[in-house]
Amino acid sequence: NAGVTQTPKFQVLKTGQSMTLQCAQDMNHEYMSWYRQDPGMGLRLIHYSVGAGITDQGEVPNGYNVSRSTTEDFPLRLLSAAPSQTSVYFCASSFFAGGANTGELFFGEGSRLTVL
Amino acid sequence: KQEVTQIPAALSVPEGENLVLNCSFTDSAIYNLQWFRQDPGKGLTSLLLIQSSQREQTSGRLNASLDKSSGRSTLYIAASQPGDSATYLCAVTGSARQLTFGSGTQLTVLP
Repeated sequence: NAGVTQTPKFQVLKTGQSMTLQCAQDMNHEYMSWYRQDPGMGLRLIHYSVGAGITDQGEVPNGYNVSRSTTEDFPLRLLSAAPSQTSVYFCASSFFAGGANTGELFFGEGSRLTVL
Repeated sequence: KQEVTQIPAALSVPEGENLVLNCSFTDSAIYNLQWFRQDPGKGLTSLLLIQSSQREQTSGRLNASLDKSSGRSTLYIAASQPGDSATYLCAVTGSARQLTFGSGTQLTVLP
């Protein structure tokens, strides 16, 4: 059971480049989400999804796009990378019922992104 | 807007000591509260999940309590070990179906 898998683990980009962080889960979770973790700022929600074809914005969505074409995958796209997007990115998933993610949240190992 | 605060930010204790980590939140309309552990350079691992209707959850040497009315949760670690050294974060699932995280307590257990 792989859980939540993120790729790549490390990435260096130049300002203005685009890239996609991949996230896949094999637990049949409806809810998937992306966070960024910065020193002194804690974990902040970027985007989330409660099922295939459904996405919504979190606290810090600007500069990022997501899509959810399948239950298993939830990629995060950086459209035009900026140094302010240097961070550690985490994907997380859980079961979703009754209008809320009521199950425990499972995290990937993280993707460390540096934008020069 | 939900705000989650964890005090203290860092804690150092000798091995074998019992300890309590604190988490407070401003909006009591929550679905659940979770405690996580994060080791350096790693992702978060869920330790305990307390639904809004529950008062506490236990797993091994860990016990978490929830008092929704006062907006507080505590994580009790019994007989601490050096392997417990990590950052502990709490998070609440609020009415917007989003989790809000605290900044964490960095715990060091000295041999």
